[in-house]
This record gives sequence, C-alpha cells and structure tokens, in this order.
Amino acid sequence: EVQLVESGEGLVQPGSSMKLSCVASGFTFSNYGMNWIRQAPKKGLEWIALIYYDSSSKYYADSVKGRFTISRDNSKNTLYLEMNSLRSEDTAMYYCAKLNYSGPFDYWGQGVMVTVSS
Amino acid sequence: DTVLTQSPALAVSPGERVSISCRASEGVNSYMHWYQQKPGQQPKLLIYKASNLASGVPARFSGSGSGTDFTLTIDPVEADDTATYFCQQSWNDLTFGSGTKLEIK
Repeated sequence: EVQLVESGEGLVQPGSSMKLSCVASGFTFSNYGMNWIRQAPKKGLEWIALIYYDSSSKYYADSVKGRFTISRDNSKNTLYLEMNSLRSEDTAMYYCAKLNYSGPFDYWGQGVMVTVSS
Repeated sequence: DTVLTQSPALAVSPGERVSISCRASEGVNSYMHWYQQKPGQQPKLLIYKASNLASGVPARFSGSGSGTDFTLTIDPVEADDTATYFCQQSWNDLTFGSGTKLEIK
C-alpha cells in the first residue's frame, strides 16, 4: 500500500523558516518525481514544487521561487520542503504527492498545516 | 500559465446524472486529470488523461474531452459523492482548476 506521511506542521512568525518532510512507502520512491502542493484555508489547490526522481531537475511556482527549496533523500525515502522568508499568504495545508508518469498526482499524503502569523 | 475554469457549484439529487466541466485557456491534449476532495481529506485521483479510471474508482465515474474542453460525469450520483471536484492539467506546467462543489440534495 502506498503511503505518504508528512511532518513538520506548525505556527511560525512572518519572515521565519520551516522545513517539512514526507516519508514514502509502498513504492520504489527513487523511480518517481515528487511534488508539494498546498491549499490555503477554504481555497483551491496550488502546485508549488516538483523534483525529478534523481534530483536532476527542480521546478517551482512563481509564488515560492527563490524562497522555497524542494529536495529528496532516496536512501531514506524522504521528500523535503525548506521554506524561508515565510509570509502570511503561505498559510495553508501542505501536501506531498507522487507524480505518475502520465502526469497526474496519483497518491497524496494527509497534509500538514503551516500557519504564518504574528 | 494554462488557466482551468470550472463552475463553482452544482446540486443534484441521488440517482441523477451530473456533468462537471473544465475549460482550459489553451489546448492540453488529453493531459487532463480529475480529483475528488471530501471535507477534511486529501484529494483523491479519479480520472487520468481525460478518460482513464484510476485504480479502485467506481465505474459510475467517467471522463471525456480533449484539447480545451473536458467533462467529469457521475452516473448515477450517490449521497457519498458530496465533495469538491478539481481538474488538473499536466501538458503546460501543472495547474489546477478552482474546483466545483457538488451538493447532493
């Protein structure tokens, strides 16, 4: 059974940093691209970052480019999201999601809540 | 970015057929996917590449379309289908529609 389990939830002040983790199991993690997707309260879904299976390429949404960094450790089956210079508009539920070869996100974690507030 | 437009809400009765539309601002070939999100849960993949049913998804769900116009159909609708439905394209970057909230009367 595929499982994605995020951690790192919390409340932080504007301008601070935070790191999320996502541990994967039930599939060969090192064979698939992985993503972070967020959802602000009562809002829609926003893709924010993608990392290729071998970390050779990384892509970001304009809203987080230069502030967030996606990375992975295939030896630990773990995906990361380092978030710097956090803003109130970054407040959201953050999901990690596995990218299927044909383009959809076929498995999602349960999500972790990040709240940026003074 | 490719913008995906969905109607905000629909209400139908159990047993009826419902079609949820998604229009892309530019062609996305067949690289349109559909998700169901129930309150308090993560999204779940229903349909991939326009018309392919994801594993474990009931055959009541189906998808159609290509280019810029796509449709998710549920027939017949059940009470448990109350959820928000999102379309997502993977032809030009990765973008989501704003979601259609489906209410079962």
